[in-house]
Amino acid sequence: DTGVSQDPRHKITKRGQNVTFRCDPISEHNRLYWYRQTLGQGPEFLTYFQNEAQLEKSRLLSDRFSAERPKGSFSTLEIQRTEQGDSAMYLCASSPLREGRKGELFFGEGSRLTVL
Amino acid sequence: GQSLEQPSEVTAVEGAIVQINCTYQTSGFYGLSWYQQHDGGAPTFLSYNALDGLEETGRFSSFLSRSDSYGYLLLQELQMKDSASYFCAVPQGGGATNKLIFGTGTLLAVQP
Repeated sequence: DTGVSQDPRHKITKRGQNVTFRCDPISEHNRLYWYRQTLGQGPEFLTYFQNEAQLEKSRLLSDRFSAERPKGSFSTLEIQRTEQGDSAMYLCASSPLREGRKGELFFGEGSRLTVL
Repeated sequence: GQSLEQPSEVTAVEGAIVQINCTYQTSGFYGLSWYQQHDGGAPTFLSYNALDGLEETGRFSSFLSRSDSYGYLLLQELQMKDSASYFCAVPQGGGATNKLIFGTGTLLAVQP
């Protein structure tokens, strides 16, 4: 399987705990994006990387959220001191640096977080 | 700011044609994408329009009118498997990246 993979697919945690999600993009893709999606809404942009550099973070991303892509391959998204409002699907996507098809992102199936 | 508006739900019968509209407000415009997402699944790319007119890909077509800030996705010969959410999206920040801003989505229910 050469698509975007995310782990874990589901995570249930108690409020106040820390959680970490991992994303493995398509291997030749330089750009990696994190999105958050709540029920009945479209994906909301959180942050993106070009290789290992984090080039942009949304104002939606509070200080409790941190993302890394240390070697320019896989990425992690950590949420500290989780709150019930963090319950959502966290989607990772990747795209090549040279645009194959504009407007095209390759998404993983997401990591669903439930904060009790 | 940027916003994209879509109808929340559309219902159609198998074999029919359905049109899902999207109107957008953006500070700069570079193109309009469409994505399909089945329940519990990953959003998957359907099409991208940078210029006015109709782009056809099999049973799916996408239309753009930049002067009207409007586009639509046309699905023909509907099949049950087309039941899904459909999102329009625009690239933000010069279109140099694929940082996309998504609409709220249209839930399409195809009935037998």
